[in-house]
Amino acid sequence: EDQVTQSPEALRLQEGESSSLNCSYTVSGLRGLFWYRQDPGKGPEFLFTLYSAGEEKEKERLKATLTKKESFLHITAPKPEDSATYLCAVHAYGGATNKLIFGTGTLLAVQP
Amino acid sequence: DAGVTQSPTHLIKTRGQQVTLRCSPKSGHDTVSWYQQALGQGPQFIFQYYEEEERQRGNFPDRFSGHQFPNYSSELNVNALLLGDSALYLCASSPWGQGADTQYFGPGTRLTVL
Repeated sequence: EDQVTQSPEALRLQEGESSSLNCSYTVSGLRGLFWYRQDPGKGPEFLFTLYSAGEEKEKERLKATLTKKESFLHITAPKPEDSATYLCAVHAYGGATNKLIFGTGTLLAVQP
Repeated sequence: DAGVTQSPTHLIKTRGQQVTLRCSPKSGHDTVSWYQQALGQGPQFIFQYYEEEERQRGNFPDRFSGHQFPNYSSELNVNALLLGDSALYLCASSPWGQGADTQYFGPGTRLTVL
């Protein structure tokens, strides 16, 4: 069964304190791994898609990497506005078009 | 472009009642997926509609049903509501056959069942 596990469940950082979020996955055939940001009471906002092991993508203070078993979201010198829940999801072969399997998310709080 | 819109924003129902949630996809998108997100959990796939047909269904009971209209908008219906149905219901739209990175999520409808 396809599965996504995220850790830690919650993370509190000081402004400027870099860290990483982990997403481990088990999937029969990976079409893509996705990272989303979700603010309270809102829908997920797309950040990155990674398709193959070794791939990396960056956006401002965020960098996503992918191996055959897990993905990391690295946050460099975070700011309070980076506070949100970060969701990881996989898109597997054989599933419905664009059906995503999500992890439970990491709640990130960045304090000034 | 208004993006994906959902209505209502919030809804309170009692156990046993029925509810209908609505979704208008982003302009140019013809595929609509529905997700349920319980508090503190990730979204879970309910079902997907394309060409007015349910294309795939997640692990949800028949109490959950849907519809897609010719203008690509969609409804999610839940019958015989249970307390456990309380959640944020998300609609996502995309062009059929395109990658999941073309999928946009709406702001969701918060359903509370008392």
